[in-house]
Amino acid sequence: ILNVEQSPQSLHVQEGDSTNFTCSFPSSNFYALHWYRWETAKSPEALFVMTLNGDEKKKGRISATLNTKEGYSYLYIKGSQPEDSATYLCAFSGNTGKLIFGQGTTLQVKP
Amino acid sequence: ETGVTQTPRHLVMGMTNKKSLKCEQHLGHNAMYWYKQSAKKPLELMFVYSLEERVENNSVPSRFSPECPNSSHLFLHLHTLQPEDSALYLCASSQEEQRNTEAFFGQGTRLTVV
Repeated sequence: ILNVEQSPQSLHVQEGDSTNFTCSFPSSNFYALHWYRWETAKSPEALFVMTLNGDEKKKGRISATLNTKEGYSYLYIKGSQPEDSATYLCAFSGNTGKLIFGQGTTLQVKP
Repeated sequence: ETGVTQTPRHLVMGMTNKKSLKCEQHLGHNAMYWYKQSAKKPLELMFVYSLEERVENNSVPSRFSPECPNSSHLFLHLHTLQPEDSALYLCASSQEEQRNTEAFFGQGTRLTVV
């Protein structure tokens, strides 16, 4: 059974705080790691798709790193804003091609 | 707007009803997917269509029946569902079958089976 674990499950921070969350995934048969942001009443939206060990991707104040050998990825948000409040999902893709999602980290940013 | 549209947004149905969920994308994508999200569980892949051919049926009960008449449309036909099938059903599409291509999701259909 392939498991993708995300921690923490939920997080409350003040506006301006920087924060990070973790995604753990199987380190064997790795193909890609996806991060999505899912705001309430909206569709999940892709943030990053990462394939290379040691890769680091950035989009504005959000960045992600990838360690395929040990099976983890971090998502960082610098200077959190209320509009960053959402559930952040990671998904692992192995050699079967299927995306296996974690349960998500729900971030609440207080003004 | 992600370019993937699902209808209806909400659906309440009895256990003996037959209903269908619809998904439409005009992004020119070749692959389409149905996902289910039950309360407090991760998104779970149900079906994958690539170039209108079903390539994945993730051990889904036969009371869920997908249909992909063309590359832009995907349906999920529902019949004799159980209350435990109540969940959010999300459709997604991607340029090719998912691996390192990002998926574009619809807003989902919130299904309640009574």
